[in-house]
Amino acid sequence: GENVEQHPSTLSVQEGDSAVIKCTYSDSASNYFPWYKQELGKRPQLIIDIRSNVGEKKDQRIAVTLNKTAKHFSLHITETQPEDSAVYFCAASIIWGGGATNKLIFGTGTLLAVQP
Amino acid sequence: AAGVIQSPRHLIKEKRETATLKCYPIPRHDTVYWYQQGPGQDPQFLISFYEKMQSDKGSIPDRFSAQQFSDYHSELNMSSLELGDSALYFCASKGGLAGGSEQFFGPGTRLTVL
Repeated sequence: GENVEQHPSTLSVQEGDSAVIKCTYSDSASNYFPWYKQELGKRPQLIIDIRSNVGEKKDQRIAVTLNKTAKHFSLHITETQPEDSAVYFCAASIIWGGGATNKLIFGTGTLLAVQP
Repeated sequence: AAGVIQSPRHLIKEKRETATLKCYPIPRHDTVYWYQQGPGQDPQFLISFYEKMQSDKGSIPDRFSAQQFSDYHSELNMSSLELGDSALYFCASKGGLAGGSEQFFGPGTRLTVL
């Protein structure tokens, strides 16, 4: 079945450094790749997403890159701050022509700790 | 802006009891998804509804059932509860054709089975 692998499972960086989280998906039909930030006991919050017709997207300190051929996508956070500390999940889904969106298949998560 | 509402926020049940979780999507959203997140795990898709019809089914046990009502709210019914059902249950909703791709998550219901 569909599967999304995510690495690393934990990541510790110094404040101001960059953090990179990588995901690989198995379903070649996937064309929508959101990233979620989740704090302990809270809901997942969308931080950035990318569709398969775009190779890169950036929003301030956060960027996502997609390599559709290799079925890889990555999250890049620059100038990390202590408040970036959380669990980050990648996900893959399919957007159909009519706008309907399939279920999200999540990666296993990355616990990011930003040390002050 | 209105968000997804879930009730109750916390629920404690005994083994073999039943539980009903409710989800009220963002107004004018026509699709509802249910996810289960165990401790330290990623969210797992259970079931989804589009325009009150089941649209997809994931790893939902036969002991669970769900439906979407005419006002678009959804309920997840869980029977013969087991210890392993203890988890955070999230409902997410998505807008119609012009609503974009994002699934908006509710605050979750924390179910504890003793």
